[in-house]
Amino acid sequence: GAGVSQSPRYKVAKRGQDVALRCDPISGHVSLFWYQQALGQGPEFLTYFQNEAQLDKSGLPSDRFFAERPEGSVSTLKIQRTQKEDSAVYLCASSEVRGGAPQHFGDGTRLSIL
Amino acid sequence: KQEVTQIPAALSVPEGENLVLNCSFTDSAIYNLQWFRQDPGKGLTSLLLIQSSQREQTSGRLNASLDKSSGRSTLYIAASQPGDSATYLCAVDLAGTYKYIFGTGTRLKVLA
Repeated sequence: GAGVSQSPRYKVAKRGQDVALRCDPISGHVSLFWYQQALGQGPEFLTYFQNEAQLDKSGLPSDRFFAERPEGSVSTLKIQRTQKEDSAVYLCASSEVRGGAPQHFGDGTRLSIL
Repeated sequence: KQEVTQIPAALSVPEGENLVLNCSFTDSAIYNLQWFRQDPGKGLTSLLLIQSSQREQTSGRLNASLDKSSGRSTLYIAASQPGDSATYLCAVDLAGTYKYIFGTGTRLKVLA
């Protein structure tokens, strides 16, 4: 497809379970971003990859959050031992270059922790 | 720390009205400002991107302006339609970085 694809679209997990969220960026896009969006709020930055290198993970809320992009294309955001406050929409975005180009967003994964 | 504020938080207008959405940011050293539209349960759709060297961008009925020195941007929507109903978000990235700082959005409802 032409856009950023995220899966699953919805994920329900019990507190304490581990979850993995997938992002397929636009083909050839160098930069990949993860954002977290709480209900009624704007997205907040989590982490950034340039190709396979994770250059910034300053937005990850705790060491339970882990992201990878091993081959510089698909990325996975993993959350271990989920807690209720992890419930949010997780958005992935990609862009052609490091800066100066628009970011293109996927539809997100809505995560609900029971 | 960069903070982005959007006013109003919500807006309801009759179809056909011209309207202005406001975005302000505290640190003027930005590289880009981008306006997005978000429909319920969906991701963000890019509307307009203004680079720091530009003052405005236009696409169809949309016009976005940027005044970097005063830390403000406006999104002008002409002849609003019910299909324009959505949340509009602005985001900026600080010069030398790449991550976007978002406002909390303006929820727009255009009544038929």
